[in-house]
Amino acid sequence: DTGVSQDPRHKITKRGQNVTFRCDPISEHNRLYWYRQTLGQGPEFLTYFQNEAQLEKSRLLSDRFSAERPKGSFSTLEIQRTEQGDSAMYLCASTLQGEQFFGPGTRLTVL
Amino acid sequence: AQKITQTQPGMFVQEKEAVTLDCTYDTSDQSYGLFWYKQPSSGEMIFLIYQGSYDEQNATEGRYSLNFQKARKSANLVISASQLGDSAMYFCAMREGRANNLFFGTGTRLTVIP
Repeated sequence: DTGVSQDPRHKITKRGQNVTFRCDPISEHNRLYWYRQTLGQGPEFLTYFQNEAQLEKSRLLSDRFSAERPKGSFSTLEIQRTEQGDSAMYLCASTLQGEQFFGPGTRLTVL
Repeated sequence: AQKITQTQPGMFVQEKEAVTLDCTYDTSDQSYGLFWYKQPSSGEMIFLIYQGSYDEQNATEGRYSLNFQKARKSANLVISASQLGDSAMYFCAMREGRANNLFFGTGTRLTVIP
């Protein structure tokens, strides 16, 4: 499968714990995006990388969130000191240009 | 103001019939792109169709077509000959100008009735 992959698919954690998600984009895509989707809503933009450079961050990305793309390939999204409001689907997308291709998402549940 | 508005939370269509899902957008940019994505219950977002603001013809992709009315700022998705597998959430999205991210609407849940 040469699409966007995300790991894990599901994560259940206790409030206050740290979690890290991984996204592997389509190999030739230089642009990578993270979105968050809560129940009943469309995805909301979190952050954008072009190669290894993080070029945009949404105001939704509080200081508890950090994202990296160290070698311009895979990316990680870390949430520190999780809160119940962080429960959502975290979607990764990649593109070379034009339409964004999305991964299957990581569903986070914070208890 | 919302950048993307989808006013139909849910729609029903009989199998083999056509259905139109509404989308209006708000932007002051002259250059923008409009997208439709399908999200089945499994969660992945599947790209369906794209319309650029300067494209004079409505986009078509198989059974999907985009009814682009620039003056009305609407970009409705038309699905012809509905199939049971079309049952899913459908999201309209916009990319403005030189921006990189997409703005999504709240989606429409389509149910195809056998």
